[in-house]
Amino acid sequence: EIVLTQSPGTLSLSPGERATLSCRASQSVSSGYLAWYQQQTPGQAPRLLIYGASSRATGIPDRFSGSGSGTDFTLTISRLEPEDFAVYYCQHYGSSLTFGGGTKVEIK
Amino acid sequence: QVQLQESGPGLVKPSETLSLTCAVSGYSISSGYYWGWIRQPPGKGLEWIGSIFYSGSTYYSASLKSRVTISLDKSKNQFSLKLTSVTAADTAVYYCARRSGSYPFNYWGQGTLVTVSS
Repeated sequence: EIVLTQSPGTLSLSPGERATLSCRASQSVSSGYLAWYQQQTPGQAPRLLIYGASSRATGIPDRFSGSGSGTDFTLTISRLEPEDFAVYYCQHYGSSLTFGGGTKVEIK
Repeated sequence: QVQLQESGPGLVKPSETLSLTCAVSGYSISSGYYWGWIRQPPGKGLEWIGSIFYSGSTYYSASLKSRVTISLDKSKNQFSLKLTSVTAADTAVYYCARRSGSYPFNYWGQGTLVTVSS
């Protein structure tokens, strides 16, 4: 089972700033099956942002971008909007699925 | 538009079986895709429980495999989760969701809180 480790645990930034979130896998992620989700509030269903490590899901603004391969992946939010302050999870979605522990992006 | 809706008891006693159903509208579960369950304990992260392919093949989290059963009810266009021998650690919001083989979960239910308590 692939273990995903996200860092940092919390990111304190101001609106307009750039956010860089990291997701490291315990072994290589095959076919780039790495996704990123945003969860606005606990108990609210996550929203898919990125799939295949770097492809934006339908309707996702282009300020969100994903990159990486193998074991190291990054989600970048180029300029933070007020609605972007949330928790972000990476996920490996092979035949078995795992989530990272999450990164909270909070207002500084 | 595909919609998923979880339902089931909000309170389950310790050692009993948690049973939830996910009703699907806007798509026939007999036609394709993986149908899955994910949970989130209060204040914690997301945990994949398991998935079922439209053909009936099942895939479970290694940590929960001994207690989990996911099944399809094609006549009602819904799928179900059973989790046996629950403890307080199983208290969580439970989500159902849909994905394809090469695509992650992109349709989610709103989630339902299940509390394990006597």
